[in-house]
This record gives sequence, structure tokens and C-alpha cells, in this order.
Amino acid sequence: AQSVTQLGSHVSVSEGALVLLRCNYSSSVPPYLFWYVQYPNQGLQLLLKYTSAATLVKGINGFEAEFKKSETSFHLTKPSAHMSDAAEYFCAVRNSGYSTLTFGKGTMLLVSP
Amino acid sequence: DVKVTQSSRYLVKRTGEKVFLECVQDMDHENMFWYRQDPGLGLRLIYFSYDVKMKEKGDIPEGYSVSREKKERFSLILESASTNQTSMYLCASVDERYGYTFGSGTRLTVV
Repeated sequence: AQSVTQLGSHVSVSEGALVLLRCNYSSSVPPYLFWYVQYPNQGLQLLLKYTSAATLVKGINGFEAEFKKSETSFHLTKPSAHMSDAAEYFCAVRNSGYSTLTFGKGTMLLVSP
Repeated sequence: DVKVTQSSRYLVKRTGEKVFLECVQDMDHENMFWYRQDPGLGLRLIYFSYDVKMKEKGDIPEGYSVSREKKERFSLILESASTNQTSMYLCASVDERYGYTFGSGTRLTVV
């Protein structure tokens, strides 16, 4: 069965600093991988997805992620954090069959001035 | 844009009540899902449906049931609400082109 591990339940950065949120996956088949963002009191919004095309995936709001098969990783990065990036971020892998998703436990990104 | 609408943002129910959480999508998607979100645990799959009247258990189905009588509507039912079912509930639908679309969530408190 697929699984996802997000390292760090909380990550703190200063405004303008690099954002790096870590995600490692376990999958018996070539994975479809996703990053979602959740702002307070809202549902999940798709940031980006990897579907076996280019290994470097660009998403919305300046985020990108790189699929590294050898490291079974799909880390999310942004060169320069904004205050508006403060939210909870979830990594997910799509399971075969009925397209269910298995989520990581989430990483809360805190951005300080 | 695909829209997934959950009928209630906040609900407060008493222990032992039967609770219905409603979800409607407007894009004729076949697959719909109910997840539960708890701090530190991420999202966990309760049930999903791949067609009208078809349903499959997810990872944590105990204490829940679902109903899908029409393609656009997928209901989550708490047969007898308990305090450990206090949580945020998220509905989603999916198609191959757009991927997952989530509703805004229903925050349920059972007292």
C-alpha cells in the first residue's frame, strides 16, 4: 500500500527566505503525487501534481516540486516566502484502482516578518 | 470550474443523534470521497463511491455509512454520533482531467 511521510509538523521561515517542505512516499507502482494547501477554515486547494511527465513540476503561487525516484521524495519549494504562504500543506499519493488519495499528516508553514 | 458544495460549514450535534452530512458536485463526476481531518493525523479516508449506489469502505469506516442515490450527491451518515467523531469532514470529487476538487469542509462538534 502507498504511504506518505511529511517530515516536520511545523516549519518556520522568515519572509523572503527559502521554503522547503519535505515529503517522502512509498509506492509499489509509479506514483502520482500531489501537494495541497489549506488556508484556515477552508478546503484543500491543489498546488501542483506529478503524473510521470517532467520531474520538476511547477505549481501555483510560485511553488514547485521535484520528483526524485532514487530518493522516493517529492519535496516542495519556493524561493522566497510571503506572509500569505502561511498555511498547512499536505503531500498525497494516489492509490491505484479507484483514485483514492493517501495523505501525509501535514506541515504547518509559519512565516514571520 | 468544478464545484463541490458541503451543505453546512459548522454543525453541533448531541451524542447519540443520527447526523447527515451532505455533499453535492456539479460536474457529473463518478468518483466521490469523504475524508476526515484531525490535527496531527492529516486526512483519512472514510468511504468513497465510484458510481450511483456503489460504495467502498476507506481506512476508517467504523461508525459511518454513506448514501449515493444520485450521481451528484454523496451523503455521509453518522448512525449514532459520538464525541470521538468531532472533526472536520471534507468531501471531494475527482476526474482525470481536473483531479480532486474538495469542498470547504464541515466542522462537526458532538457534545
